[in-house]
Amino acid sequence: GAGVSQTPSNKVTEKGKYVELRCDPISGHTALYWYRQSLGQGPEFLIYFQGTGAADDSGLPNDRFFAVRPEGSVSTLKIQRTERGDSAVYLCASSPTSGAYNEQFFGPGTRLTVL
Amino acid sequence: GQQLNQSPQSMFIQEGEDVSMNCTSSSIFNTWLWYKQDPGEGPVLLIALYKAGELTSNGRLTAQFGITRKDSFLNISASIPSDVGIYFCAAPQRGGSEKLVFGKGTKLTVNP
Repeated sequence: GAGVSQTPSNKVTEKGKYVELRCDPISGHTALYWYRQSLGQGPEFLIYFQGTGAADDSGLPNDRFFAVRPEGSVSTLKIQRTERGDSAVYLCASSPTSGAYNEQFFGPGTRLTVL
Repeated sequence: GQQLNQSPQSMFIQEGEDVSMNCTSSSIFNTWLWYKQDPGEGPVLLIALYKAGELTSNGRLTAQFGITRKDSFLNISASIPSDVGIYFCAAPQRGGSEKLVFGKGTKLTVNP
């Protein structure tokens, strides 16, 4: 597939559990973004990677949220001690370089439900 | 903070009608983006605007970058059933940030 893929597509967990959400960007894209979309809202920025490094993590809501991209390709968003308020669709996007909005593509998202 | 206000929140129209929606802010932006999101999918970029006053078309879609740089408009002509979805405006946060700020969206329903 040529697009951004995210797994799992749906994740149901219990309050207090740990979850990992995976993003496979388009091959060769160096910029990778995570967004969170709550019901009835637009996406909210969480974190941006340029290569392996987190260039801007100012959108992460608290220290329960962490993301990595160790080899500059696949990224994992990790949420510790999940809370019901973490329920949302988590979107990943990638682009060839930063600022290339015409070439930035979003994945289908992971729908996280915390019971 | 930099917020984008979209209106209307939802629209119900008949197939063939033209649609207009807008996005305003109290902040100035240098780029305006319009996206469409279908259920279960991520947003897809429709039009990008980079210059104040710019008018850009993409098929039946036309978008304008407001002269004040505080607003943008999206028009859809001769709507068809596949235009159904949620339309978002977005803009990069000022200061060279890669962070996109999104509006809350306009939900469009087209009755055949």
